[in-house]
Amino acid sequence: EIVLTQSPDFQSVTPKEKVTITCRASQSIGSSLHWYQQKPDQSPKLLIKYASQSISGVPSRFSGSGSGTDFTLTINSLEAEDAATYYCHQSSSLPWTFGQGTKVEIK
Amino acid sequence: QVQLQESGPGLVKPSETLSLTCTVSGGSISSYYWSWIRQPPGKGLEWIGYIYYSGSTNYNPSLKSRVTISVDTSKNQFSLKLSSVTAADTAVYYCARVNSGYLPGNYYYYYMDVWGKGTTVTVSS
Repeated sequence: EIVLTQSPDFQSVTPKEKVTITCRASQSIGSSLHWYQQKPDQSPKLLIKYASQSISGVPSRFSGSGSGTDFTLTINSLEAEDAATYYCHQSSSLPWTFGQGTKVEIK
Repeated sequence: QVQLQESGPGLVKPSETLSLTCTVSGGSISSYYWSWIRQPPGKGLEWIGYIYYSGSTNYNPSLKSRVTISVDTSKNQFSLKLSSVTAADTAVYYCARVNSGYLPGNYYYYYMDVWGKGTTVTVSS
């Protein structure tokens, strides 16, 4: 099973700041890495697919990069509505797995 | 716009079978994979398994001996059964559509693009 490790677990950020969340895979997964945003009491929402491909309707301040074992989700100019927990997810090999999540709080 | 809605009992007794259904509206269940994911209270996401509209399945080995996912294309629904439940199975259960992307070289990648709102299942006597 591929283990995804996100860092940090928690981040407190002021609005307009840049946020960087990393996801490291225990073995190479190519680019089959996707990012989700989950707000309290809501279901996860797809932000980025295949490491860096944007999703229609998702603000352009969200971007992804990486391949192999190291991936990054970047939120440029954080807004208050971005307070949420962010998860990475790999679909390169079964069983599919998720990172443990990174909670982003707005200062 | 495709929407998913989970339904089923919110309370299940220990050792019994948890049964949930996901109804797909606004689109056909055909030509996609469909997945179940769960989230224990205050914890992260766990993939349970998926089913193709034709009926082929794949399950998480950690749950494989207890899980069955089935599909009913006539009703545009797919279902989850989890047997011999314990308190550790208490969670919010989500259903999701699995979409695919195509890359040169006949390679497909998969991601979950549409999720239901989730349903809370508590295992307790």
